[in-house]
Amino acid sequence: QSVLTQPPSVSGAPGQRVSISCAGSSSNIGADYDVHWYQQLPGTAPKLLIYGNSNRPSGVPDRFSGSKSGTSASLAISGLQAEDEADYYCQSYDSSLSGSVFGTGTKVTVL
Amino acid sequence: QITLKESGPTLVKPTQTLTLTCTFSGFSLTTSGVHVGWIRQPPGKALEWLALIYWDDGKRYSTSLRSRLTITKDTSKKQVVLTMTNMDPVDTATYYCAHTGGDWAFDYWGQGTLVTVSS
Repeated sequence: QSVLTQPPSVSGAPGQRVSISCAGSSSNIGADYDVHWYQQLPGTAPKLLIYGNSNRPSGVPDRFSGSKSGTSASLAISGLQAEDEADYYCQSYDSSLSGSVFGTGTKVTVL
Repeated sequence: QITLKESGPTLVKPTQTLTLTCTFSGFSLTTSGVHVGWIRQPPGKALEWLALIYWDDGKRYSTSLRSRLTITKDTSKKQVVLTMTNMDPVDTATYYCAHTGGDWAFDYWGQGTLVTVSS
């Protein structure tokens, strides 16, 4: 099972702001390893949304933002749009596992 | 541009060995700081990181699957191969390969290949 815990689902109306948490521990996020976020639309491969905790790859709207504090990280989506309905995953490196770990995933629903 | 594509069997029997190939273009796996990883996703479940091979042939494996996995690369063919032994129905998943520039952020992904384990 994953060592990064996310809420199973979050929802919001169009235009609203939603936030997804990613809870880790002292061997991953708390050890100052970077957190990355992915968006996975139904039936497609994941897409890198945020890298290095808060950086957006070219082409990702600035409605998406990431932050990290202590042993947790968060992804915020402002101005929620219907096209944002997808699954979102956090990812980090874990020193006790000597490898990468993904979060449990969060389904975002636009009401 | 960078592209990756997975290939291999869609159906394997329990106890068999799975061999998947990732064929890539747009980058070289001999370039410092470039790595390729494998990630899988059982139907309706979360992503699970499996293995990663570094540009210098260093390798990392998931702790829980280490004994069953082998990752290799053929830089001349621009391919990365993942083998997984002793397949079980719980290994049924879509298997992805992905490029990372060294910070473990997977910035380019293949389309994925669904592998079903069934007798």
